[in-house]
Amino acid sequence: QSALTQPPSASGSPGQSVTISCTGASSDVGGYNYVSWYQQYPGKAPKLMIYAVSQRPSGVPDRFSGSKSGNTASLTVSGLQAEDEADYYCSSYAGSNTVVFGGGTKLTVL
Amino acid sequence: QVTLKESGPVLVKPTETLTLTCTVSGFSLSNARMGVSWIRQPPGKALEWLAHIFSNDAKSYSTSLKSRLTISKDTSESQVVLTMTNMDPVDTATYHCARSPDAAGNGWYPEGPYFDYWGQGFLVTVSS
Repeated sequence: QSALTQPPSASGSPGQSVTISCTGASSDVGGYNYVSWYQQYPGKAPKLMIYAVSQRPSGVPDRFSGSKSGNTASLTVSGLQAEDEADYYCSSYAGSNTVVFGGGTKLTVL
Repeated sequence: QVTLKESGPVLVKPTETLTLTCTVSGFSLSNARMGVSWIRQPPGKALEWLAHIFSNDAKSYSTSLKSRLTISKDTSESQVVLTMTNMDPVDTATYHCARSPDAAGNGWYPEGPYFDYWGQGFLVTVSS
């Protein structure tokens, strides 16, 4: 049950799009359409942004979208806004009713 | 309004057993589609999933920590309890409980595990 691999950092200017990757294996990301994404501000609890690879909970702006190809899932934030600056974590089902998280990506809005 | 709140000791000594309680409101632990997970985050580090209790009372644990963890629930008290034995300074972390819809006997089918409501987190320090 190794942690999923995310880039430590990502950045973009306001209005631009940025994509954060989340790489796992066939035993987790690649084996199931069960990837979720969370946004976390410093000192705060994580917030669900995407579930089941590409489903957006109500209230999450449609600027946030998710996708998956093979063993890599991606979160794309379009039309970057200053408030999007936060840490982002991916998570995947890893079989046998277990869950694995990624190492997190710090998104900076330039 | 769904809320979850963690409570427990702020400081534990090495080798001691940690007991954390998650008190929920706004949903019922006896609901056929709602389970609760514990997830921790060491200071400045990533999230780590620890354990989950399904709506049908089935339990699952992190493979690496399974021998040290026990999760249970008291539906009448709306509480989920996590115990972790043999605490070590590396277990210093903020511990979150989080709600996760499930399908009882079908695990997390068909949408997989996701955590739609989180507690604010509770910092536990392990030190002598």
